[in-house]
Amino acid sequence: DQQVKQNSPSLSVQEGRISILNCDYTNSMFDYFLWYKKYPAEGPTFLISISSIKDKNEDGRFTVFLNKSAKHLSLHIVPSQPGDSAVYFCAASSSMEYGNKLVFGAGTILRVKS
Amino acid sequence: NAGVTQTPKFQVLKTGQSMTLQCAQDMNHNSMYWYRQDPGMGLRLIYYSASEGTTDKGEVPNGYNVSRLNKREFSLRLESAAPSQTSVYFCASSRTSTYNEQFFGPGTRLTVL
Repeated sequence: DQQVKQNSPSLSVQEGRISILNCDYTNSMFDYFLWYKKYPAEGPTFLISISSIKDKNEDGRFTVFLNKSAKHLSLHIVPSQPGDSAVYFCAASSSMEYGNKLVFGAGTILRVKS
Repeated sequence: NAGVTQTPKFQVLKTGQSMTLQCAQDMNHNSMYWYRQDPGMGLRLIYYSASEGTTDKGEVPNGYNVSRLNKREFSLRLESAAPSQTSVYFCASSRTSTYNEQFFGPGTRLTVL
């Protein structure tokens, strides 16, 4: 039973346009959400996060939106750049669970075309 | 400041062989984690150590053991490797077990024949 789902395996976007990556979750105990970016042959690197007390968090070109009622979050990248081409993982955690365990989605491959 | 380091980068084992994956962090983090990444499945937690001296099972612990050697080091052992353990293994650390952001190592690509 996948608690965190990224239903789009891949996304292709033109340079300069907006990239929107989506993530859905089923566990209502999740109260903290993160996005990680991963290049081939490297470990995931933290990109941006959001607490369930907020519905938006922005950091430069990256904005994460959280819709708690729909159990849905999205990552917007504006403008998209070729260097953004990578695999993006959505992850979630619950402060009620011991250990700060992250539950990951399967990832979305983003290709930004120049 | 190297962050999280893992050795080896690549390993090929035969079924039944054993090996230990090493992980170390130099960020003075209290919590450490082992994940595996398989195609189409994202990262799944194998074991974690919320603080030095403690270890707990994650989502997929079968076939693995861990040792939190000290605050810096957290090793993952496969006692009798199986083809189903072919995967990419990532170690991660976080400041505390209530601090959400985890920092990942570069990974170990393991193939079991």
